[in-house]
Amino acid sequence: DIQMTQSPSSLPASLGERVTISCRASQGISNNLNWYQQKPDGTIKPLIYYTSNLQSGVPSRFSGSGSGTNYSLTITSLEPEDFAIYYCQQDASFPPTFGSGTKLEIK
Amino acid sequence: EVQLVETGGGLVQPGRSLKLSCVVSGFTFNNYWMSWTRQAPGKGLEWVASITNSGGSTYYPDSVKGRFTFSRDNAQNTLYLQMNSLRSEDTATYYCTRVRTGYFDYWGQGVMVTVSS
Repeated sequence: DIQMTQSPSSLPASLGERVTISCRASQGISNNLNWYQQKPDGTIKPLIYYTSNLQSGVPSRFSGSGSGTNYSLTITSLEPEDFAIYYCQQDASFPPTFGSGTKLEIK
Repeated sequence: EVQLVETGGGLVQPGRSLKLSCVVSGFTFNNYWMSWTRQAPGKGLEWVASITNSGGSTYYPDSVKGRFTFSRDNAQNTLYLQMNSLRSEDTATYYCTRVRTGYFDYWGQGVMVTVSS
């Protein structure tokens, strides 16, 4: 199975700040990397698919990049609703696997 | 509007069974693979099962293989997850998801399953 390692596990940040979350795969995943946001009530929202494609309705302050084994999610100018947990997920090979999550917290 | 609504969760004793359902609407159900993903309390996300659009094939991780059975009724736009021989480690919130080429592009609100004596 492909292991996904996210960092940091916790990220304190301020409103208006730019942040980046990293995700590293244990082997190359050819850009088959997706990102999800989980709110405190448990609701999970897909954000980005295939490294850099925004899900419909996701604000443009979210962006994704990367290649090979290293990927990142960047949020420019944090809004209050962005404080949540973020997960990466690879679908390059079965089984699909998730990172352990990054909790974006208000500083 | 795409909607996925899970039901059937609850408290069950170890070794017993439980069946989850997920009713979907807002898209052509039989065009899509579907999956279940779970989250244990305070933990991350774990893929649990996938089913092809026809229902002809299913896939599971080793952690549930042989105990869980994923099925679908395309006439009723409904998914089922039969969970047998439940263990404490199966305690989690279970999410029904639509799959688009490996990407989980829609999620239900989740249903809680607690395995405890």
